[in-house]
Parts: sequence; C-alpha cells; structure tokens
Amino acid sequence: TQLLEQSPQFLSIQEGENLTVYCNSSSVFSSLQWYRQEPGEGPVLLVTVVTGGEVKKLKRLTFQFGDARKDSSLHITAAQTGDTGLYLCAGLQTGANNLFFGTGTRLTVIP
Amino acid sequence: ETGVTQTPRHLVMGMTNKKSLKCEQHLGHNAMYWYKQSAKKPLELMFVYSLEERVENNSVPSRFSPECPNSSHLFLHLHTLQPEDSALYLCASSQSWGSFYEQYFGPGTRLTVT
Repeated sequence: TQLLEQSPQFLSIQEGENLTVYCNSSSVFSSLQWYRQEPGEGPVLLVTVVTGGEVKKLKRLTFQFGDARKDSSLHITAAQTGDTGLYLCAGLQTGANNLFFGTGTRLTVIP
Repeated sequence: ETGVTQTPRHLVMGMTNKKSLKCEQHLGHNAMYWYKQSAKKPLELMFVYSLEERVENNSVPSRFSPECPNSSHLFLHLHTLQPEDSALYLCASSQSWGSFYEQYFGPGTRLTVT
C-alpha cells in the first residue's frame, strides 16, 4: 500500500482551465510539501503546509492541508503551459525525519 | 556553480560493469540524500547522510554503495546491477536532516542497465 495516493495520475487540460489534484493518506502528517518536477530536472519545492486546514497561495496555485492533516489539495487557476510537469506531494510523519513521497500527478497543459 | 549538480546526466551500463554517480552541493548544507525514481512508483529514499555520517539505509541492496567524503560531495557506487535498477537517481541536500527543512534536488542521473 502506498502511504500517499495522488489523483488523478494523469491530467491533460487546455490552457486557461482550472484544475485540482489531490493527495490522500490514512496517516497523519506533521507537515506536507508539494513539489513540481519538469522533464529532465529534479523536483522543486512549491510550498510547505503545517497546520490542519491551512491554505497557502502561490500566484495561481492554491494549496490546502486537510483539517485532520491526512490529505491535501492543489488547485491551479487559469492553467498555463508553464504549469506542465509532475506534481508530487510529500509528507513528514510526526517524529520521523524522512519524507514519504506520493505517486505523483502528471499534468499537461495544452496551448 | 550553484545548487545541486549531478554527473553524469545519463549512464548506460552492463550488468557486470562498475560505475559511480557523483553529486555535489554548493549550498553549505549538512544533509545529503540519494533517491530512486522509477516509472509508476513513488520516489524511494535510498540513503541519507547527515554531517558525513550515514543515518539511513532503506534496505537497499549491497550492489549500491554510497560514499560521503565531505559535506559537499556524495557518491553512489554501482556494481553488478540488474535491469530493474534502471531508473532516475536523484541526489538532494538540505540544511539539516529531518523536520521541515526544504530539500533541494539535483537534475538526476538517468541510468539504464542492459
């Protein structure tokens, strides 16, 4: 069983559309991070959320941490071609030192 | 050069070869990591070094041997690999090990075992 399940696995949308990707778990995390990985590159951190119910905005990206700290979502408004990439969530369990990464959502934004 | 660099970017090796992957970080960080990224699987943590001491070894086969000669350099020595070891190997570093420290990733080495 995967600790962190992301959905959808693949998403292809037109430029200008909105989308939401999800990161779900049955485990509680003390913090959760979202990364974006572009082809030929390593993942780059977008945001860290640490409080249940927390909402953070990064330009057109909105991140939310679930109240119970078991899940998170990423919403992109008016997607652009530059948003294309693999989106990874990663959780840190209480008392642990290492991140658990999700299965990833591969987003393609079509011009 | 800044950030985390990895060499080579691409590597093709036979099952009987011995090769090494190199990672260098220019961020003054104290922790370094090796991850394996395979298709359709989550990023898998392989090894963690904190202050040049190995602190994690996630049941990685002995055909993978890490080395951290100083806080800026990390190597992954490979020998007698299997085709299922073909993957993208990512190096990362962070200010310290654990907690909320952001991990900075290198671009990875795409390894193909033939």
